[in-house]
Amino acid sequence: DAGVIQSPRHEVTEMGQEVTLRCKPISGHNSLFWYRQTMMRGLELLIYFNNNVPIDDSGMPEDRFSAKMPNASFSTLKIQPSEPRDSAVYFCASSLALLLGKAFFGQGTRLTVV
Amino acid sequence: DQQVKQNSPSLSVQEGRISILNCDYTNSMFDYFLWYKKYPAEGPTFLISISSIKDKNEDGRFTVFLNKSAKHLSLHIVPSQPGDSAVYFCAASEISSGSARQLTFGSGTQLTVLP
Repeated sequence: DAGVIQSPRHEVTEMGQEVTLRCKPISGHNSLFWYRQTMMRGLELLIYFNNNVPIDDSGMPEDRFSAKMPNASFSTLKIQPSEPRDSAVYFCASSLALLLGKAFFGQGTRLTVV
Repeated sequence: DQQVKQNSPSLSVQEGRISILNCDYTNSMFDYFLWYKKYPAEGPTFLISISSIKDKNEDGRFTVFLNKSAKHLSLHIVPSQPGDSAVYFCAASEISSGSARQLTFGSGTQLTVLP
C-alpha cells in the first residue's frame, strides 16, 4: 500500500483565491482526519470523518473552510476565499477504529497564501 | 482549551543519555495514548502507544509511562541517538461517536540529540 496520499505537496496562492487540498486514505481505513500544523498551535484537528460521514467539524476555523468525503477513497479540504493566516501545513490521516487511534499520516500540503 | 499539553517546546540531550518527554492531559475519557515522531517535510509517524489500563509499555529504546491519577505520560528514550532528533507529539484517543475515535495532539516537543 502506498500509504496516505496528499496532493499537492506545495501550494502557493494569492489571497482571495480558492484552494482545494486532496487526500486519498489507506484502502480499508474508515476514519479520515484533517489536521493543520502551525508553529503556534501545533497539530490542530480540523475535521474528521467516520465511514465517509463528518463526525466532528468543531475545529474548522471559519465558514471559509469546508471538507467533503464523497467516497471511502477520497476527501477534499477547501478554503474559499483563502487568507494569509491560512498559511500552514495541512495533514490528512487515516485510521481504523480497531487501531485505537493509531493513525497514518500523509506527507502534508504546505500552503502559502500571499 | 488544550486537552493535551506538552509544556516543553524543546529539549536538548547528549548522545547516549536519556531523553524524557512529558505530556499532560485533562480529558478523563481518553483511554489510549500515543507518541508520534515527525521529521521536517514529512508527516508524523507512529512511535509507541499505551492503553489506559497499563502504566508502562516498552519497545526497544522507547518506553512510555502513564500515570492516570496525575493525568500525565512520558516518553523515555534510552540511549538517545542523533537520529532521534525530531519533533515528538503526544496524542490521546477517545471513542467519540459509535466506533469512531477522535485523536487529539499536543503541540509537540523538538528533541535535539547532540553528538
